[in-house]
Amino acid sequence: KAGVTQTPRYLIKTRGQQVTLSCSPISGHRSVSWYQQTPGQGLQFLFEYFSETQRNKGNFPGRFSGRQFSNSRSEMNVSTLELGDSALYLCASSRGALLSNEQFFGPGTRLTVL
Amino acid sequence: KQEVTQIPAALSVPEGENLVLNCSFTDSAIYNLQWFRQDHGKGLTSLLLIQSSQREQTSGRLNASLDKSSGRSTLYIAASQPGDSATYLCAVRGNTGNQFYFGTGTSLTVIP
Repeated sequence: KAGVTQTPRYLIKTRGQQVTLSCSPISGHRSVSWYQQTPGQGLQFLFEYFSETQRNKGNFPGRFSGRQFSNSRSEMNVSTLELGDSALYLCASSRGALLSNEQFFGPGTRLTVL
Repeated sequence: KQEVTQIPAALSVPEGENLVLNCSFTDSAIYNLQWFRQDHGKGLTSLLLIQSSQREQTSGRLNASLDKSSGRSTLYIAASQPGDSATYLCAVRGNTGNQFYFGTGTSLTVIP
């Protein structure tokens, strides 16, 4: 069974640009969560989608947004990039709506903002 | 807000040694706790998931325990190997919302 896939794996952008990252969950998984990982802040929760609806959102500015499609694939978008947005963006999928479900992570997208 | 702490931040041990990694959390109202390993610059690999009603989980050389009332979890690694070298992260999920709160991790180096 294929794991969680994320594209692209690496991305370089300049300040002010916008970026879209993609995540394909494990087949059959309907919940997708996004996290930002930086050396200073560690792993921080961005948002979670289930059945195309955002169920939970972390404490990030409105420049960070996401969506989920009917096939459970998810995208996150960051507009007006800032230097501090440089990070590893990780996506995780889980089977369903239950909090007890185990989360499985993808390899991440490394975003560098110049 | 849930705060998760992992001690020590870094650990270096000779191959073959048994070791314990610690995770503590401030709010005991958790739904479950999951241990992950992360190789440098890579994604997270799930190691063990402990539901709040459970006391421990085992997988191969790994054993994780959970004491919800005291806000603590430990990950025990038996007979460590150089391939165990990685950063180990614990994450707790609260009773509301579907987000994990992550610790800052323990960087483990196993010396051959």
